[in-house]
Amino acid sequence: GIQVEQSPPDLILQEGANSTLRCNFSDSVNNLQWFHQNPWGQLINLFYIPSGTKQNGRLSATTVATERYSLLYISSSQTTDSGVYFCAVGEYGGATNKLIFGTGTLLAVQP
Amino acid sequence: ETGVTQTPRHLVMGMTNKKSLKCEQHLGHNAMYWYKQSAKKPLELMFVYNFKEQTENNSVPSRFSPECPNSSHLFLHLHTLQPEDSALYLCASSPRTSNQPQHFGDGTRLSIL
Repeated sequence: GIQVEQSPPDLILQEGANSTLRCNFSDSVNNLQWFHQNPWGQLINLFYIPSGTKQNGRLSATTVATERYSLLYISSSQTTDSGVYFCAVGEYGGATNKLIFGTGTLLAVQP
Repeated sequence: ETGVTQTPRHLVMGMTNKKSLKCEQHLGHNAMYWYKQSAKKPLELMFVYNFKEQTENNSVPSRFSPECPNSSHLFLHLHTLQPEDSALYLCASSPRTSNQPQHFGDGTRLSIL
């Protein structure tokens, strides 16, 4: 099955810093989503981005489907950005829309 | 994600108990999913339902029994669970089962004594 790798596994930032999170996947995808899981376990949709670039406030994401990777940019980080960031993909041609999740990037933003 | 509601938020049960988790979506979607997130592990798909029909069972033990009476409701019936079943159980929905984003509920944190 498709493999999803995220890097870095852990990241510590000072408030106001910028960061880039990476997601590599091993095969063609028809779905790619970025999520933020807060300390209470809530999984928050950030982007649905199987290809192209999107921006939402301080966050933006780019997926280069032909090269099988996606990037999540966080600018001017805040303490509320802390948590785990997951990339999840749906396999192209799959019979169902099941998402395969990466192992996540644990982000801690310090004041 | 207020469009997908899960109850209860927390559940503690003994290994001999029977309980059910409930998921309801208010987004008009046709596909619903159960995922399990164990400590220090990524989310793993358990079941997929499309228009009330189960389309995927990811080799889940029979002590977990899903039920989808309609496209808006999804249940996970639990019986004789094991301590290793303690985890966060997340429900999701999407308009259909391909090329559409999934929206997640807040999850039920389950602890097995």
